[in-house]
Amino acid sequence: DAGVIQSPRHEVTEMGQEVTLRCKPISGHNSLFWYRQTMMRGLELLIYFNNNVPIDDSGMPEDRFSAKMPNASFSTLKIQPSEPRDSAVYFCASSLGGLAWEQYFGPGTRLTVT
Amino acid sequence: AQKVTQAQTEISVVEKEDVTLDCVYETRDTTYYLFWYKQPPSGELVFLIRRNSFDEQNEISGRYSWNFQKSTSSFNFTITASQVVDSAVYFCALRNAGGTSYGKLTFGQGTILTVHP
Repeated sequence: DAGVIQSPRHEVTEMGQEVTLRCKPISGHNSLFWYRQTMMRGLELLIYFNNNVPIDDSGMPEDRFSAKMPNASFSTLKIQPSEPRDSAVYFCASSLGGLAWEQYFGPGTRLTVT
Repeated sequence: AQKVTQAQTEISVVEKEDVTLDCVYETRDTTYYLFWYKQPPSGELVFLIRRNSFDEQNEISGRYSWNFQKSTSSFNFTITASQVVDSAVYFCALRNAGGTSYGKLTFGQGTILTVHP
């Protein structure tokens, strides 16, 4: 079975450019999560969706960040405009519905903003 | 508020040694879920175990074992006869079932385990 798929795996962009990260959750999972990992702040939850609906976006750092889930098999995280402090590894994870279920993580996208 | 503390930032052992990674959590909820994840040098996060707050049974899976004690709010992870392939960052995480942190998975800062040959 395919795991969570993220693209691109690496992204290098210049400050001010728009960046779009993509995620395909595991088929049948109805919860999707976006995390950011940095050395300074560790793993932070940015936003999560349940049945394609955003449930908690309190972790989104600022208005430059936006996330969408147009259907059960696809989500995007967009940063516009990007800044050097956005450099991090961004993980997407999915799980079956309900709080008890573990989350399965994708391989991550390493974003570098110069 | 919920919090997960992994007091050991880094641990270094020699192969075949046993090693225990500590995890202490804080939550006001009576129902919650605890998790351990492994992040090897390749970077992906690998799920290891889930434990429900109402199930204090310890668990063993091969060389891995977990000790859950509600009385001390701890969920410790032991690797027996460690191997070089166990070298990774290990994260403990907590998920509440209610309150303002509903559904949010809170991670500890991680413990870097290095197993030397």
